[in-house]
Parts: sequence; structure tokens; C-alpha cells
Amino acid sequence: TQLLEQSPQFLSIQEGENLTVYCNSSSVFSSLQWYRQEPGEGPVLLVTVVTGGEVKKLKRLTFQFGDARKDSSLHITAAQPGDTGLYLCAGAEGSWGKLQFGAGTQVVVTP
Amino acid sequence: EAQVTQNPRYLITVTGKKLTVTCSQNMNHEYMSWYRQDPGLGLRQIYYSMNVEVTDKGDVPEGYKVSRKEKRNFPLILESPSPNQTSLYFCASSLRDRYKEPQHFGDGTRLSIL
Repeated sequence: TQLLEQSPQFLSIQEGENLTVYCNSSSVFSSLQWYRQEPGEGPVLLVTVVTGGEVKKLKRLTFQFGDARKDSSLHITAAQPGDTGLYLCAGAEGSWGKLQFGAGTQVVVTP
Repeated sequence: EAQVTQNPRYLITVTGKKLTVTCSQNMNHEYMSWYRQDPGLGLRQIYYSMNVEVTDKGDVPEGYKVSRKEKRNFPLILESPSPNQTSLYFCASSLRDRYKEPQHFGDGTRLSIL
């Protein structure tokens, strides 16, 4: 059973459209990280959120941490083909660095 | 350039033949981990190390060994590989074993055990 549930599993959209990826859990996390992974490469960190209700923006990407620190979302505005990739959320429980990963959302943005 | 380097990138081998996947980081990081990535299951932690000579089991340690004799190196050892260990493996490091620290990943090692 996955500790972190990501939805949807797969998302295919046209360039210019918006999309939202969700990451949900019944556990409370000290921090929630989002990574993007491209074929043949390891995941690369996009953002870390640590405070309940926190919203962080990274250009066209908006990340939100739920008030209860059990869920998070990633919203991409006006998606571009370069946003194509596997998006992974990962949560840390307690004070330590051990991460639990979701299964990922594969995003495909076509021109 | 700051990086985590894994070798080999690809390996096809047979059941029972011992193999080692090397991992090296040049960022003086204390915390290092090994993960395996399987379709639909995401990344699952195999072993981790909080510093030199300090290692512990992750979520799926069976069939694997690790060592941390030097800060920069964290090899993954499969003493007697089996087909269910066919997977994509990632080594990662972070500055410290703390919940805010980002993890830096290598580019992965694809293992096929026949």
C-alpha cells in the first residue's frame, strides 16, 4: 500500500492548457517535496514545503501544502512541452530525512 | 560540478552472480540512500546511511547489502541476485539526515537479472 497516493497516474494535455496533480495521504508530514524525473535521469527537486497552508510559486508552477500537512498539489499554468516528465511527491515524517515517495504522475504536454 | 555518480548505468547478468553497483558523491554529504524504482510503486528505499560506518535498513532491504567506509562512497551489493531484483536503482545523497534537506539523485542503474 502506497503511503502517498498521487492522482492522476497519467495526464496528457495540449500546450497552453492548465493541469493539477494531487498527492494525498492519511499521514502527517514534516515536509513535502516535489521532484520531476525525465527519461534516463534521476529525479530533480522542484520545491520543498514545510508549513501547513504554504503556497510556493516557481514560474508557472504553483505548489500548495494542505493545512493539515497531509496533502499537497502541484498546478501548472499554460503548460509547455518542456514540462513533460514524471512528477513525484515525497513526504518526510518526523525530524529525519527518510522520504516516502508516491508512485508518480506521468505528464505529457503535446505541441 | 556537484553530482552523484553511479556505475554501471546498465547491467544484464544471471541469477546468483554477485554484483556491486557503485555510488559516489562529491558534495561532502552525510546522508546517502539507495532506492529501487518499479512501475506503479514509485521509489522505495533499500538502505540508507547517516554517516561513515552508520547504515540502516529501509523499506525493502532483503537481498541487498551496503557499506559506508568513506563519506563519498556508498556501494550497493547484491550477493546472489534473483530475477525479482530486476529494477531501476537510484543512489541519492543529502547534506544531512533532516526532513527539509533536498535529495540529489544519480542518473540510475538499470539492472536485469536473468
